[in-house]
Amino acid sequence: GESVGLHLPTLSVQEGDNSIINCAYSNSASDYFIWYKQESGKGPQFIIDIRSNMDKRQGQRVTVLLNKTVKHLSLQIAATQPGDSAVYFCAGWGPTGNQFYFGTGTSLTVIP
Amino acid sequence: DVKVTQSSRYLVKRTGEKVFLECVQDMDHENMFWYRQDPGLGLRLIYFSYDVKMKEKGDIPEGYSVSREKKERFSLILESASTNQTSMYLCASSSQLQETQYFGPGTRLLVL
Repeated sequence: GESVGLHLPTLSVQEGDNSIINCAYSNSASDYFIWYKQESGKGPQFIIDIRSNMDKRQGQRVTVLLNKTVKHLSLQIAATQPGDSAVYFCAGWGPTGNQFYFGTGTSLTVIP
Repeated sequence: DVKVTQSSRYLVKRTGEKVFLECVQDMDHENMFWYRQDPGLGLRLIYFSYDVKMKEKGDIPEGYSVSREKKERFSLILESASTNQTSMYLCASSSQLQETQYFGPGTRLLVL
């Protein structure tokens, strides 16, 4: 079946370093992607999204890169802070809008 | 800001009980969703609704039903709770199907 997954279940980075979290998807028709952040005990929060007509989108301290050729997207967090510690997961939507899939998540730990 | 609220943060029920999980959104969104989240499995869609009184099965509808009598409210019903329905339940809403989904804080359900 279709899937969106993450490469690593856990990631540890030093405070101040940049973080890169990766995600792969299987449906080449997927044309809209979102990165969510989920802190312990809370629901997922929207971070940034990207559509398939773009290969890069920047937000505040975050950048999402989309490589449609290899069906891969990544979330880059600049100058990682302790408050960035959370589970991050990607979600992908198919062209009809009602085909969407969530990755299993990468747990990011920021070491002070 | 979009606000999605869920009726309970924690629930403990016994096997065979009927369980109601309520979700309310205040942004006049057309679409509402119920997911369950389990370790290592990510978010899995149970049901979604794209309009009042309309519903669509997600990936794992078995053992669940839903009700959407009003636009702002989407209820998840476990007709006869079982221990394998112990999970975190997340509600979300969106204005369009292929747009950002905004999540509630989640309900952690324990079925004994």
